[in-house]
Amino acid sequence: AQRVTQPEKLLSVFKGAPVELKCNYSYSGSPELFWYVQYSRQRLQLLLRHISRESIKGFTADLNKGETSFHLKKPFAQEEDSAMYYCALSASQAGTALIFGKGTTLSVSS
Amino acid sequence: NAGVTQTPKFRILKIGQSMTLQCAQDMNHNYMYWYRQDPGMGLKLIYYSVGAGITDKGEVPNGYNVSRSTTEDFPLRLELAAPSQTSVYFCASTPKPDSSYEQYFGPGTRLTVT
Repeated sequence: AQRVTQPEKLLSVFKGAPVELKCNYSYSGSPELFWYVQYSRQRLQLLLRHISRESIKGFTADLNKGETSFHLKKPFAQEEDSAMYYCALSASQAGTALIFGKGTTLSVSS
Repeated sequence: NAGVTQTPKFRILKIGQSMTLQCAQDMNHNYMYWYRQDPGMGLKLIYYSVGAGITDKGEVPNGYNVSRSTTEDFPLRLELAAPSQTSVYFCASTPKPDSSYEQYFGPGTRLTVT
C-alpha cells in the first residue's frame, strides 16, 4: 500500500536552531516525493520536490530509498518558517493524485 | 491569473441537506482533484478528473458526486449531508499527467454538518 508517515505532529524550535521534519513512505517502485507548506491564512503550496534536488528558502530534502525517507532539513530556522508542513507522494494511479502525510506543525520562536 | 478558486469559504449544513462546492481554475489545467482534510489528518482524495467529461473515484468518494463539463470547472456535490462530512475541502489542479508537476491548490471550503 502507498502511504506517507510523518511521526511528529508538532516540532518546536528556537530561531537559529537546526530543523528536521521527518517523512517516511511506503511505495513499490520509484517514488515521486514532495513537501508542501501551508503558512497561516494562506493556501497549500509546493515547497520542494525531490526530482528537482533544489533548495527553497534554505530547506533541502534528500530521498533515501534504503530508509524510505524524505526528511526536510534546514540548518538555521527562522520565525517565518513557522507553518504546517506536509510530505506527499505522487500516486502511480488516480491521475497522479497526491497521498499526504498527516502534517507537522513547525513552530519557531525567538 | 486567479489560479484555483473555491466557493464558498465557509458553510454550515443541517443533516440531510445538499450543496455544491464550486471549484474553478483559469490555468487551462486538464487534471483536477478534490481532497478533504479532517482534523489532525492528511488530505485524502475524494474524486479526480483527467479532462472534461472524465471523472473517477478516489479514496473516499462515498456521499459525493462530481462533474466536469468544462476544463475550468470541477464542482463537488454533497447529497444528504452527514456529520461525517464535516471537513475542510480542497480543490487542486495540475497541468500535465506527470507526477513531478506541482499541484495548485484552492483556499479551501470549511464545511460543518450539524
